[in-house]
Formats: sequence, structure tokens, C-alpha cells
Amino acid sequence: EAQVTQNPRYLITVTGKKLTVTCSQNMNHEYMSWYRQDPGLGLRQIYYSMNVEVTDKGDVPEGYKVSRKEKRNFPLILESPSPNQTSLYFCASSQTPGLRSGNTIYFGEGSWLTVV
Amino acid sequence: GDSVTQMEGPVTLSEEAFLTINCTYTATGYPSLFWYVQYPGEGLQLLLKATKADDKGSNKGFEATYRKETTSFHLEKGSVQVSDSAVYFCALSDIYSNYQLIWGAGTKLIIKP
Repeated sequence: EAQVTQNPRYLITVTGKKLTVTCSQNMNHEYMSWYRQDPGLGLRQIYYSMNVEVTDKGDVPEGYKVSRKEKRNFPLILESPSPNQTSLYFCASSQTPGLRSGNTIYFGEGSWLTVV
Repeated sequence: GDSVTQMEGPVTLSEEAFLTINCTYTATGYPSLFWYVQYPGEGLQLLLKATKADDKGSNKGFEATYRKETTSFHLEKGSVQVSDSAVYFCALSDIYSNYQLIWGAGTKLIIKP
């Protein structure tokens, strides 16, 4: 079954304590990305990766890091979380970034992160 | 730059009512348009899409027609069910956004029995 798996699904942490949200896909997709979802703002892209060892900033990259050492994994790292990073985070993957006919983006189930 | 505007929610309807969720866009080129749905506690799923003007996307009783003249892609369903309660996102993608998805803010739909 095609899947994008994120962990943890729910996390409450304290300001400044480094954390990592993992993301793994089983479809051999080249393109992966991270979004955050906030009320009234929709989804905003944090970082994306076109392939292994290729990452780039999205619209809201401040305070986040990513890595893409393997094709299937794309972890999101918060080196020093702050309360304004409290949000719902989604990982997504697709074969190519282009949403041309036949290409589908698959989303993980989301990770609720609260920073106190 | 490209943008997507959706009607604000929440939208509350009774079961079997007719649904319209408005979506308008601005884009430099000729974008593809999408509706995604997020059911409670789940990730986003593609609901339907249209890739050129006058195309109609449809799925699960939902429809949306790509209207270039009004730059709109309104989501409609003739008779909603409680199970349609979710958050609906309109989005576009085109070459000028490097095919990244540009999202609307989302519209929460609540269907009461």
C-alpha cells in the first residue's frame, strides 16, 4: 500500500529542546516536502527535496532544518523549537514536483506539535 | 505571485443540502486546479482536479468546473452527508510556481444530521 508515514503523530515539548519529526515513503518517490498548517493560513511549505542530497527552502523555512540522505526518508528537524512553531505538520511525496496529469501527491497523516 | 482565495468557514449545512464552496485564483499562467479534503484526524487526500479551462473534475459526488473567465473553481455537491464533514482546500499548480502547490486557507464543512 502506498504510504507516507510520519512520527510522532502527537508531541508536546518545551522551548529549546531539539526534536525531529520523521517522514518515510514507500513509493520510491523523488520529491518530498514538509508543510505546516495553521488556522486561516492553509498549508505553507517549509522545505522540499527534489532528490537525495537536494533540498531547498519553501515559503517558511526559518527555524527548521531537513536532510535527505536516503530517498525514502525526509526528517524535519527543529533545533530550538519555539511556541510559534506549534502547528500541524504534514509530510508529502510525489514522483515529480510537477502536478502534471497522472502525478499525485501523497500526504502523511500529520504530526501535531505543541511547544510550551 | 499566484494565490488562491477560498470562502471562510465554517460552513454548516443540514444533511441532503446543496453545497457550494467558493474558490477563486490569481495566476500568471494557466494553472492546474485541485480540491483536497482533510477528514478529521487524517492527512490530505486529492478529491478532484482539472488541468485546463472548462474541464470538470468530479469524485464522490463532488464536482468543480475550471472557469477561466471568472478565475474560479467552485466545489459543489448536490446532497451532502454527515460523512462529508471535513476541511476542504483549493489549490493550484503551474509552471510559474515551479509546480509547487499554492494553497487556499481551507474551508471547514460541518454537516448536521
